[in-house]
Amino acid sequence: TQLLEQSPQFLSIQEGENLTVYCNSSSVFSSLQWYRQEPGEGPVLLVTVVTGGEVKKLKRLTFQFGDARKDSSLHITAAQPGDTGLYLCAGASSGTYKYIFGTGTRLKVLA
Amino acid sequence: GAGVSQSPSNKVTEKGKDVELRCDPISGHTALYWYRQSLGQGLEFLIYFQGNSAPDKSGLPSDRFSAERTGGSVSTLTIQRTQQEDSAVYLCASSLGQGNRYGYEQYFGPGTRLTVT
Repeated sequence: TQLLEQSPQFLSIQEGENLTVYCNSSSVFSSLQWYRQEPGEGPVLLVTVVTGGEVKKLKRLTFQFGDARKDSSLHITAAQPGDTGLYLCAGASSGTYKYIFGTGTRLKVLA
Repeated sequence: GAGVSQSPSNKVTEKGKDVELRCDPISGHTALYWYRQSLGQGLEFLIYFQGNSAPDKSGLPSDRFSAERTGGSVSTLTIQRTQQEDSAVYLCASSLGQGNRYGYEQYFGPGTRLTVT
């Protein structure tokens, strides 16, 4: 059974601080996605990574896919209150539509 | 442009009753997913529809759960004889259906919060 574990589960930081969220698995994924979910809403796709070692930047967010395509990280620089939410990673094997979602990291950024 | 819509947004039901949850996908999206999200947890895959193909029901937790998709558009998730452990947020997502090298980009609705008392 494929599992995606995220750490930390909860994170509360002050505005302006940096943070990193991790997504780990023993399985290899061909596609790994990161989502952010706000209360009362569905997850919104932030980025998809597909190549081992790939790094993608989205403003203050940096996403990295591990060389072996088993793990990924999300780094936020100078966090802002608007970054508050539940961050989810999701992985899929080659050619499949079925995504396995991680357990999520709940981030709270205090002003 | 309309996104994925779900109704009702909240549903409170008594244990043992049946419930129907509705999902309207984005127009033109041939693929539709249902997920369940328990409090503070990640998403649990329930069922997948793609065009006229037989749905992938491998994630349905019991035979009390069923789903259908009429005319390749609107989908209904039905839970019969609801139990307290069915309480969760039920999320629907749609996608274009044809994955590319980046996989499948899913667009989620706001979910239906189901509470079984």
